[in-house]
Amino acid sequence: ETGVTQTPRHLVMGMTNKKSLKCEQHLGHNAMYWYKQSAKKPLELMFVYSLEERVENNSVPSRFSPECPNSSHLFLHLHTLQPEDSALYLCASSQDPVGNSPLHFGNGTRLTVT
Amino acid sequence: GENVEQHPSTLSVQEGDSAVIKCTYSDSASNYFPWYKQELGKRPQLIIDIRSNVGEKKDQRIAVTLNKTAKHFSLHITETQPEDSAVYFCAASPYSSASKIIFGSGTRLSIRP
Repeated sequence: ETGVTQTPRHLVMGMTNKKSLKCEQHLGHNAMYWYKQSAKKPLELMFVYSLEERVENNSVPSRFSPECPNSSHLFLHLHTLQPEDSALYLCASSQDPVGNSPLHFGNGTRLTVT
Repeated sequence: GENVEQHPSTLSVQEGDSAVIKCTYSDSASNYFPWYKQELGKRPQLIIDIRSNVGEKKDQRIAVTLNKTAKHFSLHITETQPEDSAVYFCAASPYSSASKIIFGSGTRLSIRP
């Protein structure tokens, strides 16, 4: 059982494809996040949404496009990705978008760009 | 920019022994320090956290200490068990903004039987 669900678990896409990652949280939280996890690197924050409004975009390339239609759902739309974008993409939620609110992560989507 | 240094990157201990993982941070505005555990193929999960008004916090076999003057904090696991094998991440952030949380690069802990 998990409070944060991500689909798909695995995704292989070519550099010209368009795909979307989906995240859903069942915890009643007000903030949602996208993180990128690459081997031997710290977790990188990509986007933060608070009550469906984007509050942070950490200089992420425009080939990554987030969408938050409501406080329970978060998407990451992907297009014309590069091989170096291959990584584990983690969605997370927290009660509030403040620094001392613990993060609840999903299981992630393992993305491979060929 | 601000960063969090985590050491060691890998750690192997005999079952039953203790394990210590250390982190240092640079942002003096940081006042919340969580630790996450990520088992192989699974999501990171919060195991313990500490706030800057506290020097030490304990939860069964896990403890975290914080030295705000020196800007370092540590995770201590006693009486280690096979299920403690995982990657552990420290993080530091100011209360004000979740977007300013910075993670360490992780420690892969292996427990030898």
